[in-house]
Amino acid sequence: NIVMTQSPKSMSISVGDRVTMNCKASQNVGNNIAWYQQKPGQSPKLLIYYASNRYTGVPDRFTGGGYGTDFTLTINSVQAEDAAFYYCQRIYNSPPTFGGGTKLELK
Amino acid sequence: EVQLVESGGGLVQPGASLKLSCVASGFTFSDYWMSWVRQTPGKTMEWIGDIKYDGSYTNYAPSLKNRFTISRDNAKSTLYLQMSNVRSEDTATYYCTRNRRYFDFWGPGTMVTVSS
Repeated sequence: NIVMTQSPKSMSISVGDRVTMNCKASQNVGNNIAWYQQKPGQSPKLLIYYASNRYTGVPDRFTGGGYGTDFTLTINSVQAEDAAFYYCQRIYNSPPTFGGGTKLELK
Repeated sequence: EVQLVESGGGLVQPGASLKLSCVASGFTFSDYWMSWVRQTPGKTMEWIGDIKYDGSYTNYAPSLKNRFTISRDNAKSTLYLQMSNVRSEDTATYYCTRNRRYFDFWGPGTMVTVSS
C-alpha cells in the first residue's frame, strides 16, 4: 500500500504569513491527491482535489501543487480561521490512504 | 444543501455488534458512490470502505473487511455500516462521505467507544 507522509506535524505561524505544508507519497500517484481542512470539533472539508483544483467556495489563498510523489499545500496570507488540521489523501485508486496530518496553529 | 447525518454510535462492549446509519439529503443519493471513514482519538484518519451507487459493489480496507459490512438503501437515501466483533481499536469517530474519487461532503460523525 502507498504510504502518505505529511510534514511538518505541526507549525505555528502569524496571521498574514505564507505557509507551505508537504505531503509525500511512497509511490508515484500522479496528480491523485486531495487536501482537507479539519477545524476543532468539525468534520473535514475538501479544499483541493487532483492536486491543484480548488474546490467550490475555497478561498484563493489556498493553493495545491505537485505531481508524482511530492505535493504541497500553500496558504497565502494566513487568516485566524485557518487554524486547523490539514490532511492529504491519495485518491482515485484504492486504498485512498490519508496522511498523518499537519496541525496549523496561529501565534 | 447537501447533508449527511450519521447515527448509531455509542458505548459498546468488546465483541459486540453495532450498526451505524447515515441519512443523506440535498442530492440524488442513488447517483453517488459513498464511503465510510473513521478518525481515532489520536486524529488518525482511516478509510473503511466504499459502496457503488447501486449497491452492487463494495470495497474495504483489507484489515477490516472480515468484520465490517457496508450497505445502502437508496429508497431511504441511507448508508449503513455494520460492525461486528468490535475491538478497543475500533474506538473512533465514524464519518460517512460522498465519494467522487475525492470525498466532497462529510457528515458530522458519530462516535463509537469500545470498552467494557
